Amino acid sequence: AQSVSQHNHHVILSEAASLELGCNYSYGGTVNLFWYVQYPGQHLQLLLKYFSGDPLVKGIKGFEAEFIKSKFSFNLRKPSVQWSDTAEYFCAVNSKGGGADGLTFGKGTHLIIQP
Amino acid sequence: DAMVIQNPRYQVTQFGKPVTLSCSQTLNHNVMYWYQQKSSQAPKLLFHYYDKDFNNEADTPDNFQSRRPNTSFCFLDIRSPGLGDAAMYLCATSITRQGFSYEQYFGPGTRLTVT
Repeated sequence: AQSVSQHNHHVILSEAASLELGCNYSYGGTVNLFWYVQYPGQHLQLLLKYFSGDPLVKGIKGFEAEFIKSKFSFNLRKPSVQWSDTAEYFCAVNSKGGGADGLTFGKGTHLIIQP
Repeated sequence: DAMVIQNPRYQVTQFGKPVTLSCSQTLNHNVMYWYQQKSSQAPKLLFHYYDKDFNNEADTPDNFQSRRPNTSFCFLDIRSPGLGDAAMYLCATSITRQGFSYEQYFGPGTRLTVT
């Protein structure tokens, strides 16, 4: 069975600080990897995804993530956060070639950016 | 804009009284998913429809059922809601082609309260 671990459940940063949110997964096969964001009062939105190819992927709003296969990790980064980045961030995986498999989510990281 | 729509956004039901939540999509995706998200927890997959084929997760209680009368609509039926079923219910869609599943698009969710 798949599992996803997000190391930080609550993160508080000041504007312009750099951000890195950790994500590790456990699965015996190859996976697709995702980061979703949920802004206050809004639905889950895709930030970025990794299917194959360059392990450094860029998403919306200046976010990027790096897939390190040897570490089973897919950490999310942003060099300079803004107050509007305050949200809940979820790392998720599904099995590659697994048909219509649903996503396995981490427990999420609540990010608060202080002005 | 193409989207995933969930109605109602808030639903209050009584203990043991059947309730139906609905989801519709204008994306023409062939897979529709239902997730349950309890407070401060990760979304958890209940089941999905791959075209007309229903796929139940092994640990989804029998109390939860689903119907997909056509490509655009999918319903979640809770036959006898218990207090423990109070949660946010998320509908999502994706395209799956030749065994490969692309990213999922989420609706805003229905928050279910059981009294």
